[in-house]
Amino acid sequence: DIVMTQGVLPNPVPSGESASITCRSSKSLVYKDGKTYLNWFLQRPGQSPQLLTYWMSTRASGVSDRFSGSGSGTYFTLKISRVRAEDAGVYYCQQVREYPWTFGGGTKLELK
Amino acid sequence: EVQLVESGGGLVQPGRSLKLSCLASGFTFSNYGMNWIRQAPGKGLEWVASISSSSSYIYYADTVKGRFTISRDNAKNTLYLQMTSLRSEDTALYYCARGGVAPDYWGQGVMVTVSS
Repeated sequence: DIVMTQGVLPNPVPSGESASITCRSSKSLVYKDGKTYLNWFLQRPGQSPQLLTYWMSTRASGVSDRFSGSGSGTYFTLKISRVRAEDAGVYYCQQVREYPWTFGGGTKLELK
Repeated sequence: EVQLVESGGGLVQPGRSLKLSCLASGFTFSNYGMNWIRQAPGKGLEWVASISSSSSYIYYADTVKGRFTISRDNAKNTLYLQMTSLRSEDTALYYCARGGVAPDYWGQGVMVTVSS
């Protein structure tokens, strides 16, 4: 199985600053079609997860352009610009390159 | 508006069975792959199972393979998860989520508690 490892944020993050969340996979997530099968989700307290980006860097419908995904085949970053109160929660990366799909352990973002 | 509403959860004894349902609305259900993803209390997300739009392709996590069965009824816009031989470690909030490789809509989840 592909293991997903997420980094820790130096919390709390001052409102208005940027935050970068990292995720590493144990195997390349680049498929033969050239796409990188990595998703990012945000789970706000008490809510269901929300898809932020897919194919590593494509924002989901309705997601603010303050969220941007980037990376290589095995190392990924979700950057949040101008952090706001509603960005607080736990961020998860997920690989969908192959079954079984696997998630990272989550990275908590707290705001100051 | 896309809506996914799970039901069928509850308290069940170890070794017993339970069947979850997810009623979909606001989109053409038969065009989308669907998934079950769970979250144990205070823990992270764990993918459980996926089914393609026509049920041709089905995948399971090793932790549930042989015990859980995912299925769907496109005429009823409903996704199912039949769970048997339940264990305490299956205690979790179970979400259904729409989509193939990008689960873009999630239900609110249904709680399953396995305890004697």
